Amino acid sequence: DAVMTQSPLSLPVTLGQPASISCRSSQSLVYSDGNTYLNWFQQRPGQSPRHLIYEVSKRDSGVPDRFSGSGSGTYFTLKISRVEAEDVGVYFCMQGTHWPYTFGQGTKLEIK
Amino acid sequence: QLVESGGGLVQPGRSLRLSCAGSGLTYYEHAIHWVRQRPGKGLEWVAGYLRDGERVGYADSVKGRFIISRDNARNSLYLQMNSLRPEDTALYYCGKDLRPGDLFFWGQGTLVTVSS
Repeated sequence: DAVMTQSPLSLPVTLGQPASISCRSSQSLVYSDGNTYLNWFQQRPGQSPRHLIYEVSKRDSGVPDRFSGSGSGTYFTLKISRVEAEDVGVYFCMQGTHWPYTFGQGTKLEIK
Repeated sequence: QLVESGGGLVQPGRSLRLSCAGSGLTYYEHAIHWVRQRPGKGLEWVAGYLRDGERVGYADSVKGRFIISRDNARNSLYLQMNSLRPEDTALYYCGKDLRPGDLFFWGQGTLVTVSS
């Protein structure tokens, strides 16, 4: 199975400042069709996960453009350009290239 | 779009069947999954159907104990959970992809508690 490792696991950030979360896979996430199925989710307290980004860097409709994803192969990053109060929650990466799908451990973003 | 049900308190060793109702669960062009979240913990993929609608997969932690199935006529997905253990205690979500390799749609989850 592809093991997904996130860091940091806890991320205190000052409002208006940037934040960055990394996600590393134990295997390349490039699929045979050439696409890389790396996703990012946000889970606010008491809510179901919300899908933010697919295929490394493509934002879902309605996701603010302060969220961006980047990376390739086995190393990926989620960046928030200016953290807002509503961004508090846990962020997960998930790979959808290899079966079974696997998640990172989650990064808890809080306001400093 | 997805609504889970069937959770509850069950004794170790007993069985429980979870259901998930929603549109698009019978369409073979979507992968559909069960994902769980233990209290205060991260997300764990449990079982799912691939996009071909036929092949299924299970996490090692549930293989041989859980069975995923679907009922096309009822637009429903199921998870039969047998030989339950305390470590199966979790909020169970069903999910569906929008595009290959993602998990876009989520239900609100149904809580399973395994305890004597």
